[in-house]
Amino acid sequence: EIVLTQSPATLSLSPGERATLSCRASQSVSSYLAWYQQKPGQAPRLLIYDASQRATGIPARFSGSGSGTDFTLTISSLEPEDFAVYYCQQRIDWPAITFGPGTKVDV
Amino acid sequence: VQLVESGGGMVQPGRSLRLSCAASGFTFDDYAMHWVRQAPGKGLEWVSGISWNSGTIGYADTVKGRFTISRDNAKNSLYLQMNSLRAEDTAFYYCTKSRGPVAALFDRWGPGTPVTVSS
Repeated sequence: EIVLTQSPATLSLSPGERATLSCRASQSVSSYLAWYQQKPGQAPRLLIYDASQRATGIPARFSGSGSGTDFTLTISSLEPEDFAVYYCQQRIDWPAITFGPGTKVDV
Repeated sequence: VQLVESGGGMVQPGRSLRLSCAASGFTFDDYAMHWVRQAPGKGLEWVSGISWNSGTIGYADTVKGRFTISRDNAKNSLYLQMNSLRAEDTAFYYCTKSRGPVAALFDRWGPGTPVTVSS
């Protein structure tokens, strides 16, 4: 099973600041890495797929990069609605699909 | 796109439960579908997935042999039969639509249905 490690566990920032979230895989997942956002009481939402492709309707302030084992989600300027938990997920290792433990971005 | 789960509830350990997901707003039989769960206060865990034509099915090791995923393309519905339930199966269960016919990439999520396994 591919283990995904996210850092930091919590990121405390203010609106307007840049957020940089990390996801590291225990072995290469090529570019088959996605990012999801989850707000309290809501279902997750797909933000980024295949490491750097924004999903439909996702604002340009969200960007993803990386390949192999090291990936980054960047939020260029935090909006109030961006404070949430972010998960990474790999899909290369079927059927052992795994998520990272999450990074909470709070104020 | 709308996904609506049903069938959750409280059940005793060892008993069974069947979850359903009614899909609308897209061509259901063009896409793989998956179940993802989230235990209270915890992260996300992929449970099971099924390709567009049911030709490819997969399960997490934690549920293999106990859960069965199925779909009825004529009814635009996804199912999860859960047998021999354990306390650790307690979670919110989300029905998710994949981005393609076989991919494990969850681009739409239902609101979820809660499952509590307790005596």
